[in-house]
This record gives sequence, C-alpha cells and structure tokens, in this order.
Amino acid sequence: DGGITQSPKYLFRKEGQNVTLSCEQNLNHDAMYWYRQDPGQGLRLIYYSQIVNDFQKGDIAEGYSVSREKKESFPLTVTSAQKNPTAFYLCASRGGQSSYEQYFGPGTRLTVT
Amino acid sequence: KQEVTQIPAALSVPEGENLVLNCSFTDSAIYNLQWFRQDPGKGLTSLLLIQSSQREQTSGRLNASLDKSSGRSTLYIAASQPGDSATYLCAVRGSGNTPLVFGKGTRLSVIA
Repeated sequence: DGGITQSPKYLFRKEGQNVTLSCEQNLNHDAMYWYRQDPGQGLRLIYYSQIVNDFQKGDIAEGYSVSREKKESFPLTVTSAQKNPTAFYLCASRGGQSSYEQYFGPGTRLTVT
Repeated sequence: KQEVTQIPAALSVPEGENLVLNCSFTDSAIYNLQWFRQDPGKGLTSLLLIQSSQREQTSGRLNASLDKSSGRSTLYIAASQPGDSATYLCAVRGSGNTPLVFGKGTRLSVIA
C-alpha cells in the first residue's frame, strides 16, 4: 500500500528533552511538509522540503529542526527551545506531474510535561 | 499574503439534507485548490482537487466548485449522512512549488 506513515501515534516526553518524530512515504513524492495543529488555530507550517538535501522554514520553524537525507524520509526534531511543544503533528507529501495533490499521514500527538 | 477563510466555523444539519460549505481566498492567482476531511484525532484525507483552469470536480455525493476571479470555492454535499460528520478544510496553492495555505475549517455535524 502506498502512503505516509508517522510513528509513533502518541509520544510523551519530559520538558527539556529533544524528541524526533518520524515521517516516511513510499509515494515517490519529491516534496514533504510538517505541520502543527492546535485547537482553534488551524494548521501551521513548520518546515518543508522540495527535494533531497534541501528544506525551507515555514511560518513557525523556531524550536524545530529537520533533515532530508533520503527522498522517503523527513524526520522532525522538536528541541528543548520550543516553548510550547505539546500539539498534534502532521506530515504530508505532495505529488508531481502537474497535479500537485497533497496527502497526509495519520499524525503524531506529542505531549510534553 | 494569501488568506483563506471558511464560514461557518461549525454547522449542524439533519440527516438527508443537502449542504454547502464555503471557502474564500484573498489572492486569486492560485495554482489549485484542495478540499480535505479530518476526523477527530486523525490526519487529513484529500477529497477533491480543482486545478485553476477547472470550474468544478465531483466525487460521489461531493461536488466542489471554483470561481477564481471572485476568490471563492464551495463544497456541496448531497444527501448528508451521520458518517459525513467531520471537519472540512479548504486549502489553496499559489504555484506548483509553494506550500498550501489552509483555512481553519468547518466542523460539520450530521444528526440522525
């Protein structure tokens, strides 16, 4: 089955610890994205990558880091510098060939206490 | 800067009713528009994608229209069912390589 996987579904961390969220896709998509979703705030773009070894900051990149060493993988690290990391994190990828339809993974809910 | 607005924020209808969800955007220079559905605690599911050159797209009971010049799109749901209850999000892409800009969504409840 083609799709986007995010693991784990739920993640708990203590304040001050870095944590890495996994995102893998087997859709052969070039572009991948990370969003954060909070109640009442909608989706906010954290980072995106159009191609391997390249990525751009989104609207709320502070306190986050990413890497794109492989086409299939786009991990997101939530660092201790992120002031309010508890949220629902969504990974997405975008198809090419002129349609540019975007697909999402199931999400990871991160709770930091 | 592109802004996407969805009104109303929440909507409750009885089962069987036809309904329309609205989406407006401030910059009409878009590449495409995409409608998504999100169930609580889940990721987004793509429902319909409309290219800027198209006026509408249909999938089953869903029909999405696009009026680029007025900056509006509608999602029409025919014969609504309780299983349609979810949050519906609209998003626009300015060019092929730019990220989608999302509205905050309309939370739909279909009452049996």
